[in-house]
Amino acid sequence: EDQVTQSPEALRLQEGESSSLNCSYTVSGLRGLFWYRQDPGKGPEFLFTLYSAGEEKEKERLKATLTKKESFLHITAPKPEDSATYLCAVPAANYGQNFVFGPGTRLSVLP
Amino acid sequence: DVKVTQSSRYLVKRTGEKVFLECVQDMDHENMFWYRQDPGLGLRLIYFSYDVKMKEKGDIPEGYSVSREKKERFSLILESASTNQTSMYLCASSLGTGVYGYTFGSGTRLTVV
Repeated sequence: EDQVTQSPEALRLQEGESSSLNCSYTVSGLRGLFWYRQDPGKGPEFLFTLYSAGEEKEKERLKATLTKKESFLHITAPKPEDSATYLCAVPAANYGQNFVFGPGTRLSVLP
Repeated sequence: DVKVTQSSRYLVKRTGEKVFLECVQDMDHENMFWYRQDPGLGLRLIYFSYDVKMKEKGDIPEGYSVSREKKERFSLILESASTNQTSMYLCASSLGTGVYGYTFGSGTRLTVV
């Protein structure tokens, strides 16, 4: 069964304190790993897609990396506006364009 | 710059009512999806559609139905609302037959009393 887990469940950082979020997945035939950001009361917003082990993508203070079993979202010198829930997702093996989502990591960056 | 529009941000309905949640996208996407999001359970797929008049059950279709009469519009119907359907409902769309990221709507927070 396809499965995506994320850790930690919640993370509190001081502004400027770098850290990483983890996404572990179990899926037959990975067709990409997707990261989203979700602000409270809003829908998730697409951030990155990673397709193969060793691939990296960057956007401002965020960098996503991928291995064969997990992905990391590295946050460098975060700011309070980076506070959000970060979701990762993989395409489900059974459905063409459907995804299995992880439970998310709730990030709080304190000034 | 709104791309996926959900008709209501907040709804309060009574038990037993028939509820319609509307979703419209303006990106000419083929694929549309309905998820619900609950604390501790994450995003769960209710129904999806890859084409007009086409629909497929997701992981939790019980108590729901959908309609897609036009490419840009995907409606979720709660046939007889129950309190356990109180949730955040998210509509999403994506492009074509490849694997593409979703564009989500802002969500509808439904409360059934």
